[in-house]
Amino acid sequence: QQQVKQSPQSLIVQKGGISIINCAYENTAFDYFPWYQQFPGKGPALLIAIRPDVSEKKEGRFTISFNKSAKQFSLHIMDSQPGDSATYFCAASIENYGQNFVFGPGTRLSVLP
Amino acid sequence: DAMVIQNPRYQVTQFGKPVTLSCSQTLNHNVMYWYQQKSSQAPKLLFHYYDKDFNNEADTPDNFQSRRPNTSFCFLDIRSPGLGDAAMYLCATSRGRGVGYTFGSGTRLTVV
Repeated sequence: QQQVKQSPQSLIVQKGGISIINCAYENTAFDYFPWYQQFPGKGPALLIAIRPDVSEKKEGRFTISFNKSAKQFSLHIMDSQPGDSATYFCAASIENYGQNFVFGPGTRLSVLP
Repeated sequence: DAMVIQNPRYQVTQFGKPVTLSCSQTLNHNVMYWYQQKSSQAPKLLFHYYDKDFNNEADTPDNFQSRRPNTSFCFLDIRSPGLGDAAMYLCATSRGRGVGYTFGSGTRLTVV
C-alpha cells in the first residue's frame, strides 16, 4: 500500500524528443506528488509537484499529468536536452497527516545530442 | 542563499571505526532527515527529527544514530561501519513532514 511504482527503469531519448516517466500508487490517502531530479554525485532537487485537485501542472518544459481514478501520475519533459540527463524519482506523501515521502525506484534518463 | 550543507563531501573510514557525518541548514526548517542511498536505488529514510523529537524508521540498524543539538545542525553517527554501509548519505530538511524537501549534496562514504 505504501509503495510507489515507477517505469521505465531507464530511458534513452534523442535531443528535442519527449521523455515520459510513469508512476503508480495504491494508497488513496496520498495527497502530494513531487518529482525529484538527481545528477550524479548530487542530492535530489525538487523539480515539480502536484496535488490531486488538479489533473495537470506545467512548469517550463516539465509537465505532470495526474489521473486520480487510475492512481497514476507521469512526468513529461518536452524538447528534451542533454542537460536533462539525470535520474528522476517520483514520490508521494500524505501532507495533511505529515507522513514522510515514499520514493519510487527511479528512472535514469539519457538524452542523446 | 538558504541551503542544506553536508560535510564532508567524501569520507573514507575503516571497517569498524566510528564515523560522524554532519549537516547544517540555513532554512530554519523544523524537520531534518537522514537518507541512505546506494547505487542506482531510491533514497531510503533512516530517521528524522521533528524539532527535537527523534523518529527512527523500524528497519534502521542500531549501528546508526543521530543527534540534533540545535535547529541548524544534525549529525549521523555510524558506530561500527561495515562494508555494506558504503553509500551516499543525504540530509534533507522541510518545514513540515511530507512536503517541500530540500536535500543537501550528500556525503559519499567509503568503508575500507
